[in-house]
Amino acid sequence: AQSVTQPDIHITVSEGASLELRCNYSYGATPYLFWYVQSPGQGLQLLLKYFSGDTLVQGIKGFEAEFKRSQSSFNLRKPSVHWSDAAEYFCAVGAGGNKLVFGAGTILRVKS
Amino acid sequence: GAVVSQHPSWVICKSGTSVKIECRSLDFQATTMFWYRQFPKQSLMLMATSNEGSKATYEQGVEKDKFLINHASLTLSTLTVTSAHPEDSSFYICSAPTGTSGSSRDTQYFGPGTRLTVL
Repeated sequence: AQSVTQPDIHITVSEGASLELRCNYSYGATPYLFWYVQSPGQGLQLLLKYFSGDTLVQGIKGFEAEFKRSQSSFNLRKPSVHWSDAAEYFCAVGAGGNKLVFGAGTILRVKS
Repeated sequence: GAVVSQHPSWVICKSGTSVKIECRSLDFQATTMFWYRQFPKQSLMLMATSNEGSKATYEQGVEKDKFLINHASLTLSTLTVTSAHPEDSSFYICSAPTGTSGSSRDTQYFGPGTRLTVL
């Protein structure tokens, strides 16, 4: 069965510093991979997705992620974090049909 | 982008009562919607797939008689928590895909969630 692991429950970075959120997946075939952000009072918002092709994908709000098949990873990165990026981030993998399996999430705190 | 709404955003009820949560796709039609449950500091767990015009499909371990799902139209799905108990307290989130591929290539849009507290 598909699964997603986000090893970091909390991450704190200084504003302006770079960010990397880790995601590892378990899936037999080429996965469909996603990163979502959840802010209080708002629904999950899609940051970016990978289906095939270029393994470095660009998303909204300056985020990018790189698919590494050899490491079963899809880490999310941002070169310079803004205070408004503080939120919870979820990595997800397609699980057949429209179903998604989510990781446990990583809470990002940004300190000024 | 597409918008999915949920109502109510929060609800408090007494143990033993039933609570209905609505999920609406505001600017697109969805033959399928999904219901998730999120425990504090945990991930979203898929509960069931709501299918317009047919019965919902429940994930293993989810009690279909407790969590009644009705997909009344192409823009509305409802989740009714029957005979609610404190352990049903949670954050319930719905989502709806746009697109017609029937795969994860269809972009999913999520509602803002409903916080249920059962006293």
